[in-house]
Amino acid sequence: KQEVTQIPAALSVPEGENLVLNCSFTDSAIYNLQWFRQDPGKGLTSLLLIQSSQREQTSGRLNASLDKSSGRSTLYIAASQPGDSATYLCAVRLDNTDKLIFGTGTRLQVFP
Amino acid sequence: DGGITQSPKYLFRKEGQNVTLSCEQNLNHDAMYWYRQDPGQGLRLIYYSQIVNDFQKGDIAEGYSVSREKKESFPLTVTSAQKNPTAFYLCASSPTGRWNQPQHFGDGTRLSIL
Repeated sequence: KQEVTQIPAALSVPEGENLVLNCSFTDSAIYNLQWFRQDPGKGLTSLLLIQSSQREQTSGRLNASLDKSSGRSTLYIAASQPGDSATYLCAVRLDNTDKLIFGTGTRLQVFP
Repeated sequence: DGGITQSPKYLFRKEGQNVTLSCEQNLNHDAMYWYRQDPGQGLRLIYYSQIVNDFQKGDIAEGYSVSREKKESFPLTVTSAQKNPTAFYLCASSPTGRWNQPQHFGDGTRLSIL
């Protein structure tokens, strides 16, 4: 059974720091991996999607990497800002299926 | 703008009552999903539908029911059999078979017990 774990569960940093959020999964037979952002009381916003054949994806200050063989993905946030404060979730899509398996999330707070 | 609309934003349920959460999308997506989110836990799949008039149970379907009579709509009923319904419920959609596309989410419904 696929399990997805995110470490750390919570993170509080001063503005300007570069951050790394971690996501690990137990079964490497994934189709792709997504990183989402969730603001309090809101739905999820897709940030980056990495196909299983890719190593990384970039969008602005965000960079996500994928090491499928070791069951790991990282989300790198450069020059963090207070507006980055949110919960970040990763999810893996199993091969040949519409289903996503979610991690428990990392709650990030960036203070001025 | 295309998107997913969930209503109501807040919902209260009395003991023994069934309540229905609405989810409507205008993205022309074939697949729709219902997730439950509890504090400190990831999203868990309740039901999903890949096409009109068809749906499958997810990991925690007990105490819930769904229908998919129209492509745009996928309502979720929380029945009295669901003994711990207090949670944040999220609806999502995606184009079926295009697994390289991300799922899109609504803003959720928070359900509480009176």
